[in-house]
Amino acid sequence: DVKVTQSSRYLVKRTGEKVFLECVQDMDHENMFWYRQDPGLGLRLIYFSYDVKMKEKGDIPEGYSVSREKKERFSLILESASTNQTSMYLCASSLYPAGGSEQFFGPGTRLTVL
Amino acid sequence: EDKVVQSPLSLVVHEGDTVTLNCSYEVTNFRSLLWYKQEKKAPTFLFMLTSSGIEKKSGRLSSILDKKELSSILNITATQTGDSAIYLCAVAGYGGSQGNLIFGKGTKLSVKP
Repeated sequence: DVKVTQSSRYLVKRTGEKVFLECVQDMDHENMFWYRQDPGLGLRLIYFSYDVKMKEKGDIPEGYSVSREKKERFSLILESASTNQTSMYLCASSLYPAGGSEQFFGPGTRLTVL
Repeated sequence: EDKVVQSPLSLVVHEGDTVTLNCSYEVTNFRSLLWYKQEKKAPTFLFMLTSSGIEKKSGRLSSILDKKELSSILNITATQTGDSAIYLCAVAGYGGSQGNLIFGKGTKLSVKP
């Protein structure tokens, strides 16, 4: 079974803090993705990576950065957390680029920024 | 601009009913359409439809892609309370960004006993 794990299920941070969200997959997938999910807005792509050390901006990259030093790990970084970044964050991985195969999702991290 | 629209946004049915969920899309160079089920956790994959595979079925769930109408339906027969979830539709196109899987806002299905 493909497994995508995320470091925290729930996280509470203060405005201005630096926040790290970690994602690890165990299926040797090339492609990894970070989404945020908000009521009424659906899933929106923040960043994705198609190879180690490679990254591409998604639809809403502002305020975020990512790191992919190893194939199995993809980290999302909030340099200075703000209240409008309170959201559910979902990581996903896939064998092929978007649309070429299913994306497997992690359980999500519900981040609250106070 | 690529987009995916799902309807209805929410739906309440009783166990045993049959439901049809709709997904319409606009995307450049269509590649595939995916359906996911999301309960109180991560979305789980249901089906992927492409030009070479326009109809999929698994148990009580089935899906059809209509490339002419740029739409897809997800059918659930003999619904059960365990089918209660948000159903997500997503579409990808060839070319452009490799990360572009465009999601709709989802249909929230509630199945009453």
